[in-house]
Amino acid sequence: DTGVSQNPRHKITKRGQNVTFRCDPISEHNRLYWYRQTLGQGPEFLTYFQNEAQLEKSRLLSDRFSAERPKGSFSTLEIQRTEQGDSAMYLCASSPGSFGNTIYFGEGSWLTVV
Amino acid sequence: GDSVTQMEGPVTLSEEAFLTINCTYTATGYPSLFWYVQYPGEGLQLLLKATKADDKGSNKGFEATYRKETTSFHLEKGSVQVSDSAVYFCALSDGAGGADGLTFGKGTHLIIQP
Repeated sequence: DTGVSQNPRHKITKRGQNVTFRCDPISEHNRLYWYRQTLGQGPEFLTYFQNEAQLEKSRLLSDRFSAERPKGSFSTLEIQRTEQGDSAMYLCASSPGSFGNTIYFGEGSWLTVV
Repeated sequence: GDSVTQMEGPVTLSEEAFLTINCTYTATGYPSLFWYVQYPGEGLQLLLKATKADDKGSNKGFEATYRKETTSFHLEKGSVQVSDSAVYFCALSDGAGGADGLTFGKGTHLIIQP
C-alpha cells in the first residue's frame, strides 16, 4: 500500500524564484487536497480537487499560487515569485471522496525562501 | 466560520501518567471530528475519529468521545509511553461548500519523559 507521496521533500529557493511541488495521491482516491503548515501552527486548507476539477480555493491561495491535477491523478502546486512569507511545509492529502472518509496525508514538502 | 481550539503546549508528563488533551470546536451543521498525530520529521497520521454525537473513537490506547452538548472532543490515554511523544492535532470536517477539508487546531506538543 503506497501512501501519499510528495516531492521534493525539501526545497530552498531565493526570493523571486518559482517553485513547483508534486503530489501523487493514493491510487483511486478521487479527492486531493493541499494544505500549508507553518511552525507552531496547524495545517491550513489551501485547495482541493475532485478528480481533475479544482472545486474550492482558500483565501490563502494568492494569485501567485496555482494548482493543477490534469488527469485526475497526480497534482502540482506552483508558487511564482516566491516571498519569504511563503516559507512553510506544503502538505498534500487524498481521500476516497465520501463525506467523513479518512483524509490521508503525505510527509510534506518543506519550502525555505531565502 | 469553523474553528478548533486545543490546549496550548508543550505538555510534559512522566511515563505511565494519564493524559488528557482538551479540544473544543465551533462549526455549522454536524461535523466529523478527528485527532491526528505528527511524529518528528513525519507527516500527519490519523489517530482516531468520530462522525456523530456520542461516538467514541479509539486507537492505540487513545480515546475521544464526541460531545455535542459541550462541543468537545478531548483526547485521553490511561498510561502514556515515551513513544507517544509527538504533536497532536484536533480537527473537524463539516462538508461545508461540498468539500470535506479539515479545519485544524494549532496542535499540542506532548513530551513523555522516562
